Amino acid sequence: GENVEQHPSTLSVQEGDSAVIKCTYSDSASNYFPWYKQELGKGPQLIIDIRSNVGEKKDQRIAVTLNKTAKHFSLHITETQPEDSAVYFCAASFSSGSARQLTFGSGTQLTVLP
Amino acid sequence: GAVVSQHPSRVICKSGTSVKIECRSLDFQATTMFWYRQFPKKSLMLMATSNEGSKATYEQGVEKDKFLINHASLTLSTLTVTSAHPEDSSFYICSASTSGGAGGELFFGEGSRLTVL
Repeated sequence: GENVEQHPSTLSVQEGDSAVIKCTYSDSASNYFPWYKQELGKGPQLIIDIRSNVGEKKDQRIAVTLNKTAKHFSLHITETQPEDSAVYFCAASFSSGSARQLTFGSGTQLTVLP
Repeated sequence: GAVVSQHPSRVICKSGTSVKIECRSLDFQATTMFWYRQFPKKSLMLMATSNEGSKATYEQGVEKDKFLINHASLTLSTLTVTSAHPEDSSFYICSASTSGGAGGELFFGEGSRLTVL
């Protein structure tokens, strides 16, 4: 099955700096890569995703890059703000019958210091 | 994005009782919903895939008689933790797809914190 590895497990940055979180996946059949933000005591919230036919996608301060050959993808957050502090999960997905099944990374605790 | 609602958000129960958690897709129909369990500071662990009108598919190691899943309509799936024990205390999260096919995005509920005394 799919295996997703995520690094780093914790990341502290100064407000205004950039943060980068990296993930690798093992199954070359995976074709959908979402990123989720989870605040304490809440469910994960989809913040950006990328499909395998695209190399990069950007949404305001958030961008995701995908390297299919190397099987890794990264989340980039620019101009970080304290409210960006949360746990971020990457995931890789393949089609299973009628619905997607996600395999999650282990998570990154991002702390933005004011 | 699409809205998935979970209820209750927190529940405390005595050991040996059963607890039901509801997961609703509020503005879309979900033929498939997923149930996860999350331990503190850990990632989400898929427990089962809930299919509308049919039996759930459980992941290896998940007791189907302990965690009963019912998906009676296109907008509602329920997880019942039967004869709960302290080791069942955890954060339970559901997700649902916006599309009946494999191309849909997955959206998550807010989670339900279960504490078994």
